[in-house]
Amino acid sequence: GQQVMQIPQYQHVQEGEDFTTYCNSSTTLSNIQWYKQRPGGHPVFLIQLVKSGEVKKQKRLTFQFGEAKKNSSLHITATQTTDVGTYFCAGFSGGYNKLIFGAGTRLAVHP
Amino acid sequence: EAQVTQNPRYLITVTGKKLTVTCSQNMNHEYMSWYRQDPGLGLRQIYYSMNVEVTDKGDVPEGYKVSRKEKRNFPLILESPSPNQTSLYFCASRRRGADTQYFGPGTRLTVL
Repeated sequence: GQQVMQIPQYQHVQEGEDFTTYCNSSTTLSNIQWYKQRPGGHPVFLIQLVKSGEVKKQKRLTFQFGEAKKNSSLHITATQTTDVGTYFCAGFSGGYNKLIFGAGTRLAVHP
Repeated sequence: EAQVTQNPRYLITVTGKKLTVTCSQNMNHEYMSWYRQDPGLGLRQIYYSMNVEVTDKGDVPEGYKVSRKEKRNFPLILESPSPNQTSLYFCASRRRGADTQYFGPGTRLTVL
């Protein structure tokens, strides 16, 4: 079945350093979504990318969708302690009902 | 306040004792879904519903049942829970055609 792989599993950074998480799908995705889950919390929707090669920015966060619509990345510039949490990508394939999540990247930010 | 609520938030039960986890949303969303979250596996979709009386299996439906008799409610039923169903469960909803999916606070279930 379809798989969405996410790397790295963990990332520790010093506050102010940049952070990137990568997402790869075994199949072409209709679109991809990114979520953030704070420790002890629930996933919170960040953004959805639909078009091949699409790049979207939210303040210090930059999201990219690959040209082949099989990979995506989330880059955080100058991390802050408020960025701590697990970041998940999730893709729809062949429709908009079944959402396949990556295993997530847990980000720790040291002050 | 727009929200998705789940009850109970924590539950410890024993193998074979039927249980129901309730999910309710006050946003009039058509689409609702149940996920389980396990360490190292991310979130896996159990069942989803596109509208009242319309449900379908996600990736891991075995051992679970759902119903959608009203638009706001989407209960998850475990007829005969087993220890491998120990997990953190999330309900989510979104408006048809919209991107944003809203998650409930989660239900931590332990089956002994």
